Amino acid sequence: DTGVSQDPRHKITKRGQNVTFRCDPISEHNRLYWYRQTLGQGPEFLTYFQNEAQLEKSRLLSDRFSAERPKGSFSTLEIQRTEQGDSAMYLCASSSWTSPSTDTQYFGPGTRLTVL
Amino acid sequence: DAKTTQPNSMESNEEEPVHLPCNHSTISGTDYIHWYRQLPSQGPEYVIHGLTSNVNNRMASLAIAEDRKSSTLILHRATLRDAAVYYCIRHSGNTPLVFGKGTRLSVIA
Repeated sequence: DTGVSQDPRHKITKRGQNVTFRCDPISEHNRLYWYRQTLGQGPEFLTYFQNEAQLEKSRLLSDRFSAERPKGSFSTLEIQRTEQGDSAMYLCASSSWTSPSTDTQYFGPGTRLTVL
Repeated sequence: DAKTTQPNSMESNEEEPVHLPCNHSTISGTDYIHWYRQLPSQGPEYVIHGLTSNVNNRMASLAIAEDRKSSTLILHRATLRDAAVYYCIRHSGNTPLVFGKGTRLSVIA
């Protein structure tokens, strides 16, 4: 069990640039979640997938954000025209969902984004 | 809206038991109570979850009140490695996790 991995671990970019993050979930986990966490706050939900279908998106996910999970395995989160307010830790989690009692989410180490 | 209430911080001595409280007075009958913790500079880590009965695993115990309006996470012997932010979450299993600010646990050697 290699756990959830995220790449890159750190990203520094200039305002207005586009960035893309990747998440590799635990093998055969059917659900994949993206969260964002700012300093001193708990993680906030952004979006999630069941297999390749994007089932829910938060109001936090503006039109500059897009996420994909093309083959139901890894996922990417892209932020276009980054703003300083996008600076945060972006967390990915996966779960093997078969019923409400089985939705234990396993988190990756996160990608820390700094927008200058 | 996290829908749970936790103390902002707690302190424990090493090797002592720790009881972390959580209030969830508006919990619905289908919501599970999940606990996650987040160590410094890491993603959250699942600790334990339950519905009605008390639960035990290798990390902790979860005591759920009979009316389900509150619960307590019990660490039987706190170690320095248990210093983290602990999140109590109501979770129906068909919705994303909603994190509050959690309880920051400090463990004193």
